[in-house]
Amino acid sequence: NAGVTQTPKFRVLKTGQSMTLLCAQDMNHEYMYWYRQDPGMGLRLIHYSVGEGTTAKGEVPDGYNVSRLKKQNFLLGLESAAPSQTSVYFCASSPATPRGYTQYFGPGTRLTVL
Amino acid sequence: AQSVTQLGSHVSVSEGALVLLRCNYSSSVPPYLFWYVQYPNQGLQLLLKYTSAATLVKGINGFEAEFKKSETSFHLTKPSAHMSDAAEYFCAVIPNQAGTALIFGKGTTLSVSS
Repeated sequence: NAGVTQTPKFRVLKTGQSMTLLCAQDMNHEYMYWYRQDPGMGLRLIHYSVGEGTTAKGEVPDGYNVSRLKKQNFLLGLESAAPSQTSVYFCASSPATPRGYTQYFGPGTRLTVL
Repeated sequence: AQSVTQLGSHVSVSEGALVLLRCNYSSSVPPYLFWYVQYPNQGLQLLLKYTSAATLVKGINGFEAEFKKSETSFHLTKPSAHMSDAAEYFCAVIPNQAGTALIFGKGTTLSVSS
């Protein structure tokens, strides 16, 4: 049971480049999330999904897009990377609303934008 | 807006000493409250959660937290610190009536010295 996995683990981009981060979960969870973690800021929600084919904006969605074409995958895209997007990105999933269910986190992707 | 405040970005204790990490929430109604731990270069792991069933919540690794409505607090404690407890700790909240994602505090780094 792999849980929540994230690909890649590390990435360095140049300003203006694009990339996609992949999150996969094998627990058949309905809800999936993308957070970014910056020093002294805690984790901030970028986008989330409450089911296949649905997505919604979180606290800091600007500059990011997401897709949930398959239940087990949640993709985070950066169309034109900026240095301000240098961060550690975490994906998470939960069976349903985290009010009643534990949210499980992936190991993170460390992204540097030069 | 629902939020959590963690008092002290860094706490240092000696091995065997009491651990106290502070968290206050802002809400007119009791929310769902969580404590997560993040070990270096890893994702987040749930320590414990409050969902209105009991005010004293016991979690993993000997940690517990007490929900105090009058003080709008949910402080995390452990009677005797161990070197392996050194990590970053996050308090998080979900609004009771709505909300599908966690809102995190900025985190507290716990250092344990021998």
